[in-house]
Amino acid sequence: QVQLQQWGAGLLKPSETLSLTCAVYGGSFSGYYWSWIRQSPGRGLEWIGEISHSGSTNYNPSLESRVTISVDTSKNQFSLKLSSVAAADTALYYCARHGPTFRRPISWFDPWGQGTLVTVSS
Amino acid sequence: DIQMTQSPSSLSASVGDRVTITCRASQTISSYLNWYQQRPGKAPDLLIYAASTLQSGVPSRFSGSWSGTVFTLTISSLQPEDFATYYCQQSYSAPPLTFGGGTRVEI
Repeated sequence: QVQLQQWGAGLLKPSETLSLTCAVYGGSFSGYYWSWIRQSPGRGLEWIGEISHSGSTNYNPSLESRVTISVDTSKNQFSLKLSSVAAADTALYYCARHGPTFRRPISWFDPWGQGTLVTVSS
Repeated sequence: DIQMTQSPSSLSASVGDRVTITCRASQTISSYLNWYQQRPGKAPDLLIYAASTLQSGVPSRFSGSWSGTVFTLTISSLQPEDFATYYCQQSYSAPPLTFGGGTRVEI
């Protein structure tokens, strides 16, 4: 059974860079995309972007200028960096597996990480 | 972007009730629609993918259907553990992948 475990800094000041990492346990890293999703009262669930095991990325155009998602296949981990954060970036951030790739566009998010609350405040 | 509009945003129901939640897409998405359940303090869990296929382990009281751009999640007999928030999500067109605003099912 695949499990995702995520971690990263939970309190940031405006203009800093958010950095989160998600580790994948118990399953294949290939054949899927690995996504970041955030949730806030104001924006609901918002897809941030994703990366394949080979490093191919897709980003939400609304965040693309500030987002970088990277992968470390040797550790079965992927990471999110969001630069120049502001109060509007305060949210619960989730990592999730998206796929399976070969069935796209039939694809879904499952499983999800436990979530990391990120607060941006001066 | 494809907008996903859920209704109602919240509803009150009792154990044993039949509950229906609707999700409307702003354009055609074929049957590429997923449903998730989120309990308080937890991450969303996949219930249904491709509009009507039940994820493994999900009780059969959950079902999904669609007509055109309108998708429906039905809980045939509400159980205590079903009180949660439900979200739809389209996988037809990306980026971006988009979610509905959620429907909170309360006692």
